[in-house]
Amino acid sequence: DAKTTQPPSMDCAEGRAANLPCNHSTISGNEYVYWYRQIHSQGPQYIIHGLKNNETNEMASLIITEDRKSSTLILPHATLRDTAVYYCIVRVDWGYGQNFVFGPGTRLSVLP
Amino acid sequence: DAGVIQSPRHEVTEMGQEVTLRCKPISGHNSLFWYRQTMMRGLELLIYFNNNVPIDDSGMPEDRFSAKMPNASFSTLKIQPSEPRDSAVYFCASSLLAGGVETQYFGPGTRLLVL
Repeated sequence: DAKTTQPPSMDCAEGRAANLPCNHSTISGNEYVYWYRQIHSQGPQYIIHGLKNNETNEMASLIITEDRKSSTLILPHATLRDTAVYYCIVRVDWGYGQNFVFGPGTRLSVLP
Repeated sequence: DAGVIQSPRHEVTEMGQEVTLRCKPISGHNSLFWYRQTMMRGLELLIYFNNNVPIDDSGMPEDRFSAKMPNASFSTLKIQPSEPRDSAVYFCASSLLAGGVETQYFGPGTRLLVL
């Protein structure tokens, strides 16, 4: 699986959009981009995933560049409860139960 | 659905004792994963099962660690004998392949302290 690079930490004002970048320059054509987050003392929580197209769900939007070498997770209106570590993961979906390799992630602090 | 259930939520034991962690995956999920999280090493995969069969246990630290999945609704991770360096948060996750994409759902974790 391709390696990802994320900034170690970011701050965001409450109510503003939080844009979390992720570089995955070695991503291959069959690798998906997944985002998870981990709120303090809880298990990681799935946010969103995508392959080529931009994706949006009730939690966030995922913007993937045309060359797929980087992506951005957007939390449109960050709240204090969005303070967490955000993990960007790329992996091949072989449909057989594959593990996710979690890097250090980005620690997002939403400030009042 | 109640989500992935883990027990106990907290465990304090003395070095040399046996520790058994338990996990009940989400009903209908066919893959189960055990992770360990520490400040030093982050979140690392220990072992995963598919349809109750262990697929990859290369992350299991040593022979003191063993995992079983006797049926689709239950799994255990056992440490015998336990050591202080085993202190960590242990997460269980389950997943279901749907539409060619797989999403893991994590339990709340078991916080283990070995004295």
